[in-house]
Amino acid sequence: AQRVTQPEKLLSVFKGAPVELKCNYSYSGSPELFWYVQYSRQRLQLLLRHISRESIKGFTADLNKGETSFHLKKPFAQEEDSAMYYCALSGRGYQKVTFGTGTKLQVIP
Amino acid sequence: DAGVIQSPRHEVTEMGQEVTLRCKPISGHDYLFWYRQTMMRGLELLIYFNNNVPIDDSGMPEDRFSAKMPNASFSTLKIQPSEPRDSAVYFCASSFQGLSGNTIYFGEGSWLTVV
Repeated sequence: AQRVTQPEKLLSVFKGAPVELKCNYSYSGSPELFWYVQYSRQRLQLLLRHISRESIKGFTADLNKGETSFHLKKPFAQEEDSAMYYCALSGRGYQKVTFGTGTKLQVIP
Repeated sequence: DAGVIQSPRHEVTEMGQEVTLRCKPISGHDYLFWYRQTMMRGLELLIYFNNNVPIDDSGMPEDRFSAKMPNASFSTLKIQPSEPRDSAVYFCASSFQGLSGNTIYFGEGSWLTVV
């Protein structure tokens, strides 16, 4: 079974402060991990994926297989980062993607 | 491409009525997904198709829910009879099994309210 846990429903930070959105997963095989973002009144879209090892909009995420985590980080939060963030998991080569319950990030001006 | 297209965008219906949600995936995509989003449970995968064939419907909550994909460019999710607890945002999404992996592209969602 594949499972994604995002322990925080809401995370509020001040503009300029560091951000860390937590994600832990459970999967017996080789996982692919993703972060999706949903801005207000917009559709869900891919933010980044661990296999790309990229930084998008200043966000990074490192897969830690020992801790089974894929936390999303940004050193300095911007107001436009306010959105709903979903961590997601699939098996490598498989299409079934399981999402966490999401964390709402609120950046306070 | 206009992306994944869903209709209706908003629906308010009375308990007991039949609800049909529609989806047009991105042309060329061979996977189609139906997700339900609620405050309590987040995004739940209901069912997904590969080349129009249902692969996994283990997330469909009960027999009142059914989904079909008669061809590569159209899918429906039907709830009959609807209940207030079905109120949620229903997302359709599609993807392509390619070298770049399995990025899922979402529609804008259908907001369902059952009163």
